[in-house]
Order: sequence, then structure tokens, then C-alpha cells
Amino acid sequence: GAVVSQHPSWVICKSGTSVKIECRSLDFQATTMFWYRQFPKQSLMLMATSNEGSKATYEQGVEKDKFLINHASLTLSTLTVTSAHPEDSSFYICSARDDRGVTDTQYFGPGTRLTVL
Amino acid sequence: AQTVTQSQPEMSVQEAETVTLSCTYDTSESDYYLFWYKQPPSRQMILVIRQEAYKQQNATENRFSVNFQKAAKSFSLKISDSQLGDAAMYFCAYRSGQGAQKLVFGQGTRLTINP
Repeated sequence: GAVVSQHPSWVICKSGTSVKIECRSLDFQATTMFWYRQFPKQSLMLMATSNEGSKATYEQGVEKDKFLINHASLTLSTLTVTSAHPEDSSFYICSARDDRGVTDTQYFGPGTRLTVL
Repeated sequence: AQTVTQSQPEMSVQEAETVTLSCTYDTSESDYYLFWYKQPPSRQMILVIRQEAYKQQNATENRFSVNFQKAAKSFSLKISDSQLGDAAMYFCAYRSGQGAQKLVFGQGTRLTINP
């Protein structure tokens, strides 16, 4: 299967600072990437859909000014958590859509654990 | 809106035995895809199997197979010859064949393998 990486794998920051998380498709180009948030022992919650060269589409209830998404190239999308607070602490997962050929499938990065102190 | 329901929060099985995880979904669409993803303790989401709604034949991947009942909107996962490495959270997911290609996930089923 296709490979998706995320960096960093974990980050600890102080309240009020901003944190950037990178998501890269390593062996394919992804015009569409997705950002999810996962709380402990819960399912994945879609935050936004990131499209290369255009603005992200946010799910209802997700603050677009707090969670800035940039999909500047076909292999890279970034999520910036601005002015982070303890309630933003969570596990953030990205996925990239591989639409080569007939197998249109999302492949996931390993996730980033964010802890805001 | 589409919904996915996994009614079994936890399941356990003896090593080498067979286990079936349940999933039902609700949609009015005719063109869609269904997936099972596995999330082990590392939390890396791994695609286990996918099924196209237009295909009548049930998908299989080695020890993993599905029972796709389109009329009943049911999509169960059968794991044969369970191995210790199969222990994980399993998520059923739905994706429309049109539009944004978003995945809608079920609540997950935690599978424990007893040695």
C-alpha cells in the first residue's frame, strides 16, 4: 500500500503557542488529504478536507481560524493549531487519497499526539 | 447523512479461532464503498479490506473476508485463524462514490485475542 508520513509524532507545547503538523504522501501524489482528530478510546472525527491549491473544507463545528490547513503541494499538507489550549490536546491523524488506477483508497499517517500544557 | 454503526464495543476470541465483527450502515446512495480499518496499539490506521457496493462478490484478503449484505445494509468482517497480531481496534467505514470522498467511521470494536 501507499505510505503516508506525519511529523512530528508527538509534541508538547505551552498554552498560547502555535504548533504545525506535517502530513506527506511519500510514494504518490495526493490532490486530497484529510485531517482527523481522535480522543482516547473513541473513533476518528473528520476535521477538514484539504485540497491541493485551494482552501480547505471544514466540518461543522471546527474552527477554521484555530486549525489552519495548507495543502501547498501534491505531497504535503500542514495543520497548524493556533493559540493552542489544553482542550486542543488530542491525537491528530492525516490521510491521503490515492486515486491512482481503480483503487481509490485513503491511506493514513501514523498520527501526532499533541499535549498542550 | 450516512451513518455507520458497530454494535459490539468489545470482542474476544481464542487464538486460531474465527471471529466476526458486525457493522451496519445507513445510506440512500447506490454508489459507495465500505472499508474495514485496523488500529493496533501503535495507533497507525491500517486498511484491512474494501468492498465496492456494485460488486456482489464478497471481498477477501487472506484470513480476512467480509459478508456484504447490500439490502440489509450490513458489512461484517470475518477473521479466520485469529493471531495475536490481530488484536486491535477495528473500524468500519463508509465512503460515498460521489462528492468529497469523506470517510464516515463507526464507533469501533476492540478485539482481544486470547492465547
